[in-house]
Amino acid sequence: EAQVTQNPRYLITVTGKKLTVTCSQNMNHEYMSWYRQDPGLGLRQIYYSMNVEVTDKGDVPEGYKVSRKEKRNFPLILESPSPNQTSLYFCASRVQRSMSSNSPLHFGNGTRLTVT
Amino acid sequence: QKEVEQDPGPLSVPEGAIVSLNCTYSNSAFQYFMWYRQYSRKGPELLMYTYSSGNKEDGRFTAQVDKSSKYISLFIRDSQPSDSATYLCAMSPSGGYQKVTFGIGTKLQVIP
Repeated sequence: EAQVTQNPRYLITVTGKKLTVTCSQNMNHEYMSWYRQDPGLGLRQIYYSMNVEVTDKGDVPEGYKVSRKEKRNFPLILESPSPNQTSLYFCASRVQRSMSSNSPLHFGNGTRLTVT
Repeated sequence: QKEVEQDPGPLSVPEGAIVSLNCTYSNSAFQYFMWYRQYSRKGPELLMYTYSSGNKEDGRFTAQVDKSSKYISLFIRDSQPSDSATYLCAMSPSGGYQKVTFGIGTKLQVIP
């Protein structure tokens, strides 16, 4: 089954304790992205990757890191989490045949993070 | 001003009603218009996709784009309780990197 898998689904942590949220897709998609979803603000892009070893900042990158060492994986790293990073996080992927192509995003089922 | 405006609702309708969901936008470069459906505790999934202006129909769902007014709509006919979800509009420009900009979503409840 084609899917984007995020782990964990729920995570409660304390301020300053480094954490990683994993994302894996089995569709051989070039493009992957991380979003956070907050009430009243909607989905905002954190980082994206057009292909292996190519990453770039989205709209709200502060406090986050990513890496893309393999095509299928795109982990999100919070080196020193703070309470304002409490949110619902989504990983997404899509085919990226060219810079100007547009294809639908496939989303994971989300990771609910609480930072106390 | 946000690039994409969407009323968050909630919107409650009786089963069988026609539902109209709408978004306005300010960026005239947007050419691709999408509607995603998000069930509780799930990620968004693509429902409808249109390019430029016009209508597109898929079963009980119709998407409309009016670029002159910068206004897009999603109509749901004969609404069902299983349509209860949050509906997010999304749009992106043509050419170059295809960043997708999302509305905040409208929560819809269809009451049996």
